[in-house]
Amino acid sequence: AQTVTQSQPEMSVQEAETVTLSCTYDTSESNYYLFWYKQPPSRQMILVIRQEAYKQQNATENRFSVNFQKAAKSFSLKISDSQLGDTAMYFCAFMGNAGNMLTFGGGTRLMVKP
Amino acid sequence: GAGVSQTPSNKVTEKGKYVELRCDPISGHTALYWYRQSLGQGPEFLIYFQGTGAADDSGLPNDRFFAVRPEGSVSTLKIQRTERGDSAVYLCASSLAGGVFNEQFFGPGTRLTVL
Repeated sequence: AQTVTQSQPEMSVQEAETVTLSCTYDTSESNYYLFWYKQPPSRQMILVIRQEAYKQQNATENRFSVNFQKAAKSFSLKISDSQLGDTAMYFCAFMGNAGNMLTFGGGTRLMVKP
Repeated sequence: GAGVSQTPSNKVTEKGKYVELRCDPISGHTALYWYRQSLGQGPEFLIYFQGTGAADDSGLPNDRFFAVRPEGSVSTLKIQRTERGDSAVYLCASSLAGGVFNEQFFGPGTRLTVL
């Protein structure tokens, strides 16, 4: 079974600064997919970024980028130029190659301060 | 275009009662998923439908939980003899098809409170 761990329950950052959210996972699979989801107070989960484990290049989506360290089973999210609208819960998630279910971490609550 | 919708948005019930939670996926999406999110935790997988059939129900916690998708579109999650521990937000997601290459789009969830 896969496990996903987010060790930072809460974080805060000043507007326009950069913040990094941590995620580690455990799996015996060789190929898999990793995701970061944002959950604002509206509760609707929104996909932020995804990474295929077989790709060495770290994924980037505008202000969001990941640092994927496969050997260390680490998958951190960097948010650059933080905006007030980035305030939300952030969840790291895992999906195996053959599966359809997402396995989520416990989440990190991010507060962007003006 | 319309996203995934869930009704009701909030449901309060008494211990021992039966509840039904509804999910309307994005039109044309053949895959549908139910997750449960307890307070302060990440969502946990319950069940996955491909079309009308439950392709994976390994996440259902016990036989009080049951889900259907009779016409391959709307799905209903049914909980019998509710317990206080069932209190959570129940999230539904849909994707164009199953598999890792199809993004799961989530609804806003139903918050279930069992008194």
